[in-house]
Amino acid sequence: DAKTTQPPSMDCAEGRAANLPCNHSTISGNEYVYWYRQIHSQGPQYIIHGLKNNETNEMASLIITEDRKSSTLILPHATLRDTAVYYCIVRVLNYGQNFVFGPGTRLSVLP
Amino acid sequence: ETGVTQSPTHLIKTRGQQVTLRCSSQSGHNTVSWYQQALGQGPQFIFQYYREEENGRGNFPPRFSGLQFPNYSSELNVNALELDDSALYLCASSLVRDNEQFFGPGTRLTVL
Repeated sequence: DAKTTQPPSMDCAEGRAANLPCNHSTISGNEYVYWYRQIHSQGPQYIIHGLKNNETNEMASLIITEDRKSSTLILPHATLRDTAVYYCIVRVLNYGQNFVFGPGTRLSVLP
Repeated sequence: ETGVTQSPTHLIKTRGQQVTLRCSSQSGHNTVSWYQQALGQGPQFIFQYYREEENGRGNFPPRFSGLQFPNYSSELNVNALELDDSALYLCASSLVRDNEQFFGPGTRLTVL
């Protein structure tokens, strides 16, 4: 079973920031938080990951709370092409470890 | 695009038949993982291959089997197809020590 909890759906206005929450209250000290997204009928796309510190790349920012029990993925200026299902996953970086996907959050960016 | 390719794109089979799906990993990646994604659900891990050996398996029956070749490409074989095997099958490649897996576009299998 997935170790994360996400809202099933969210809406965001085009051009505004999309803030996608994720709860992972049972996360272990050596587990990373990953975010992937899946646009309709395509393979999942890696977005970002982090352990303790906040992270930023060209796609998004990841904010992890100090107790690491929750995190937020931020898309700073959402576009229509960001409409997708977003998956938050916790994972140990180790041989044979794979991603346990939950149902994710369906983000709809509205014009 | 990730550089991971899968074939075929779509496939229709009947119950009881066998199917082989193929995956070419991203250049330099020595690990391939396979996932099954039923409609409306997140991907579910089937198994992973590293250097031509199975390196982890999810909760799937033995009729799901795989191979990895010296060039790190991979096959997923499913015997005795059932209606519930209808799904999108995803292949992902990675370096074992790397952080992220790169997914292909998937093969849509329909079992009638």
